[in-house]
Amino acid sequence: DVKVTQSSRYLVKRTGEKVFLECVQDMDHENMFWYRQDPGLGLRLIYFSYDVKMKEKGDIPEGYSVSREKKERFSLILESASTNQTSMYLCASRATLDNYGYTFGSGTRLTVV
Amino acid sequence: QKEVEQDPGPLSVPEGAIVSLNCTYSNSAFQYFMWYRQYSRKGPELLMYTYSSGNKEDGRFTAQVDKSSKYISLFIRDSQPSDSATYLCAMDTDKLIFGTGTRLQVFP
Repeated sequence: DVKVTQSSRYLVKRTGEKVFLECVQDMDHENMFWYRQDPGLGLRLIYFSYDVKMKEKGDIPEGYSVSREKKERFSLILESASTNQTSMYLCASRATLDNYGYTFGSGTRLTVV
Repeated sequence: QKEVEQDPGPLSVPEGAIVSLNCTYSNSAFQYFMWYRQYSRKGPELLMYTYSSGNKEDGRFTAQVDKSSKYISLFIRDSQPSDSATYLCAMDTDKLIFGTGTRLQVFP
């Protein structure tokens, strides 16, 4: 089975800190995605990447950046964490030719205090 | 207007009931339609998928797509307490767009 692993389940950071959320997939998928999930708003796309060193803005990229130096790893960076970035962050991957094959990690619950 | 609209619920039904979950969408370019199930403190997992219009059945689950009405549905027959979860519809062009999710509780 495809596995998408997010490095932390729970994270507490202070306002203004630089935060790194890591995601690793083990099935050689080209495409990787970062979403945040908030009550009443569902999953919203932050950034995605079609391949190594490629990145595209999603619907809510402000305050975030990403890094994809290796195919299996996609990092989400909060440059200066703010309380409104408290959320559940979900990483997903899929193969380019498989429109249905999104696999999600278990999520990182980030609290910014 | 959101691209995908979904009633957030919560929906509470007795065991054995037929459950109907629905989404509407505005983008006629959507071709791939999916339903994800998300248990508490877990990531979403793919439950059903369909391409374009039509029905698809898998055990107790049936997914329907009506592209003319821009309306998709998920039916759960003989619902079980283990079906209690949040159900998210999703649609894909080059990226996945989700509904807000409907929280379903099936009580014994």
